Amino acid sequence: EAGVTQFPSHSVIEKGQTVTLRCDPISGHDNLYWYRRVMGKEIKFLLHFVKESKQDESGMPNNRFLAERTGGTYSTLKVQPAELEDSGVYFCASSPGQVSTYGYTFGSGTRLTVV
Amino acid sequence: AQSVTQLGSHVSVSEGALVLLRCNYSSSVPPYLFWYVQYPNQGLQLLLKYTSAATLVKGINGFEAEFKKSETSFHLTKPSAHMSDAAEYFCAVSASGSARQLTFGSGTQLTVLP
Repeated sequence: EAGVTQFPSHSVIEKGQTVTLRCDPISGHDNLYWYRRVMGKEIKFLLHFVKESKQDESGMPNNRFLAERTGGTYSTLKVQPAELEDSGVYFCASSPGQVSTYGYTFGSGTRLTVV
Repeated sequence: AQSVTQLGSHVSVSEGALVLLRCNYSSSVPPYLFWYVQYPNQGLQLLLKYTSAATLVKGINGFEAEFKKSETSFHLTKPSAHMSDAAEYFCAVSASGSARQLTFGSGTQLTVLP
């Protein structure tokens, strides 16, 4: 089966610009998660979708970040306007059910650099 | 709330030597614990998980971890390191068996010396 696909793999944008990251989860996985790792720090939770609904968005840093999951399939994470501190690696993960049973399957991440 | 502490951001071992990566957790409820590995330019891959069954958990690539409640630890070990084990390793905790978020440690970069 295809894994979790993220694109672009890298993005370099200027401060103030808009960037949209995309994640295609494994087909049939209702649970989709976004995480972020800022340089050298922990991987931090951003939000969790169950199908098209936001189950938990407590990790979203501010209202410059907007996540959507159209029809419960792929998801996008838009940063508008981007700031320098948004630089990092953004990971997407998906799971068919309980994390204790399935764990997550992660994508390779999008490395975002804001200059 | 849960938290994870990984002792040692960088660990170096010689090829064939024991690998020991340390993880301590804090959780107000029985935890579910995970180890993930990230090879260069790849996503995180699940190595193993503890979900309240056997305290000694065996994973892929010869890794195993032991859940010790009294020490709140879940250290990762491998008897003999291979060059291919060089990667970054992450310990993570989840509060329950539901499909909820993971809390990650800050990662340990493992270098294997020839």
